[in-house]
Amino acid sequence: NAGVTQTPKFRVLKTGQSMTLLCAQDMNHEYMYWYRQDPGMGLRLIHYSVGEGTTAKGEVPDGYNVSRLKKQNFLLGLESAAPSQTSVYFCASSYSLHHAYNEQFFGPGTRLTVL
Amino acid sequence: DQQVKQNSPSLSVQEGRISILNCDYTNSMFDYFLWYKKYPAEGPTFLISISSIKDKNEDGRFTVFLNKSAKHLSLHIVPSQPGDSAVYFCAASGKAAGNKLTFGGGTRVLVKP
Repeated sequence: NAGVTQTPKFRVLKTGQSMTLLCAQDMNHEYMYWYRQDPGMGLRLIHYSVGEGTTAKGEVPDGYNVSRLKKQNFLLGLESAAPSQTSVYFCASSYSLHHAYNEQFFGPGTRLTVL
Repeated sequence: DQQVKQNSPSLSVQEGRISILNCDYTNSMFDYFLWYKKYPAEGPTFLISISSIKDKNEDGRFTVFLNKSAKHLSLHIVPSQPGDSAVYFCAASGKAAGNKLTFGGGTRVLVKP
């Protein structure tokens, strides 16, 4: 039982390049999330999904796209990377958005640097 | 404008003593609060939570207190251990926010042996 996994762990991009971050969970969770963590800012929600085939914008969605073609996978794409997207990206999943079950399980993170 | 704030970016405490982490929120619609713990190069892990219908929740060495009138919560760790050295995030959610989590900026705790 791997929980939530993310690939890659590290990546360096040049401005304007594109890339996709992959998140996979094996807990059969309906809900999946992408966050970015910046110093002093905590974790900010980029996009989330409430089920296979659905996605929704979070707090900071600009410059990112997502897809949830399979229940266990949630992809985060950067079409044209900018230095402002240098950050640590975390994927998370949860069983429900109901309060009592809204414990989110996080992956280990992807450290992205955009030069 | 951050709806959840942790005003102390860092905290240093001696092993065996109490660690007190504070968190303030501005949105009165938040009604569920969580603390997450994060070690370097790992993702955050859930630590403890509290519903707005309670003012205290305890789990072993960890206790969370909620003061709704002040829109303030705190996490007490007693006694503190070196393995508690980590970054702690508070988070809040509520139906009005679609039950999504809003995180504070984090407090780095260092427990000295």
